[in-house]
Amino acid sequence: DVKVTQSSRYLVKRTGEKVFLECVQDMDHENMFWYRQDPGLGLRLIYFSYDVKMKEKGDIPEGYSVSREKKERFSLILESASTNQTSMYLCASSDYRARSYEQYFGPGTRLTVT
Amino acid sequence: KNEVEQSPQNLTAQEGEFITINCSYSVGISALHWLQQHPGGGIVSLFMLSSGKKKHGRLIATINIQEKHSSLHITASHPRDSAVYICAVYYGGSQGNLIFGKGTKLSVKP
Repeated sequence: DVKVTQSSRYLVKRTGEKVFLECVQDMDHENMFWYRQDPGLGLRLIYFSYDVKMKEKGDIPEGYSVSREKKERFSLILESASTNQTSMYLCASSDYRARSYEQYFGPGTRLTVT
Repeated sequence: KNEVEQSPQNLTAQEGEFITINCSYSVGISALHWLQQHPGGGIVSLFMLSSGKKKHGRLIATINIQEKHSSLHITASHPRDSAVYICAVYYGGSQGNLIFGKGTKLSVKP
């Protein structure tokens, strides 16, 4: 059974804190993605990675960075959290060799920045 | 910019009703996905379509490539179908990036 896990379901942080969100997949997928989801805006891509140590900016990368040191792990970093980063964060992975381009999602982390 | 439009944004139905959710996109695609998100956040894939029609239980998905339109139908709806349904399209490229619609929130009342 395919599995994408995220380090926390709920997280509360203070403005200015450095925040790490971790994502791990056990499917040996090359591609990994970080999204944020806000009411009325849907899923928006923050960053994606198609290989270890490779990363590409998505639609809304400002205020975020990522790290992919191992194939199974993709981390999202908020360098200095701000209240407008309060959101649901979803990680996903996909197998680039699969023509379906199906993405497998983690359960999400609901982050609140106060 | 490639756009994916879903309608309606919100939908309330009585148990047993036939439900249709629509998705339109702006340019040619390689694949279209229908996803389901239950309260609590987890997203699961329901269907992947590149042409025609697929059926799984009470769910039916269709796609019309010429009209750039897809529909998700739910027959004999049930309260457990209450969820957000999301359409996502793949336009091409090796990274497999999907473009997502904003979702349709379905509530099925008993």
